[in-house]
Amino acid sequence: DGGITQSPKYLFRKEGQNVTLSCEQNLNHDAMYWYRQDPGQGLRLIYYSQIVNDFQKGDIAEGYSVSREKKESFPLTVTSAQKNPTAFYLCASSLTGGSGYGYTFGSGTRLTVV
Amino acid sequence: SQQGEEDPQALSIQEGENATMNCSYKTSINNLQWYRQNSGRGLVHLILIRSNEREKHSGRLRVTLDTSKKSSSLLITASRAADTASYFCATVILTGGGNKLTFGTGTQLKVEL
Repeated sequence: DGGITQSPKYLFRKEGQNVTLSCEQNLNHDAMYWYRQDPGQGLRLIYYSQIVNDFQKGDIAEGYSVSREKKESFPLTVTSAQKNPTAFYLCASSLTGGSGYGYTFGSGTRLTVV
Repeated sequence: SQQGEEDPQALSIQEGENATMNCSYKTSINNLQWYRQNSGRGLVHLILIRSNEREKHSGRLRVTLDTSKKSSSLLITASRAADTASYFCATVILTGGGNKLTFGTGTQLKVEL
């Protein structure tokens, strides 16, 4: 079955540590996205990538880094510079071009800093 | 920054009633999409309406778009308890780096038996 997989589902991190969240898709989608969701809030865009080896900062990129070495994978690293990393992180992918396509979301990773 | 703002923030209705949610946005868009999120889960795409469309239907869903007022509405007819979820509008703009999807703040819908 085609889909988008995020791992792990739950992640605990000590303050000062970097941590990497995995996002893999087998939908052959060109574009991939990372969002952050805080309790009772909407989603805020962290980074997005339209093609391999290229990505753009979203609205809240500070303290995060990404890579896009393969079409299927778009890992997100939450660095120690991110002041308030505890949140629900969602990865999404979509086709590109034309007049628009819906996005497919993963089931999310809940990160807690302890 | 949040592109879209939804209204109301929360809505509670009885099963069988219709639910209407509104979304306003700030800039010109390529298309507008509505998503559903069950508590603690990922989002599910419901419907997409392009900037040159005014109304679209999908099953019990009806979406309207008024680009002159920069607003959209989502109508769920004959609601069911299983429709209980958060609903988000999201706008797509075209940037040099690709399509950018920006979400609103969401409406929490509760459908009671």
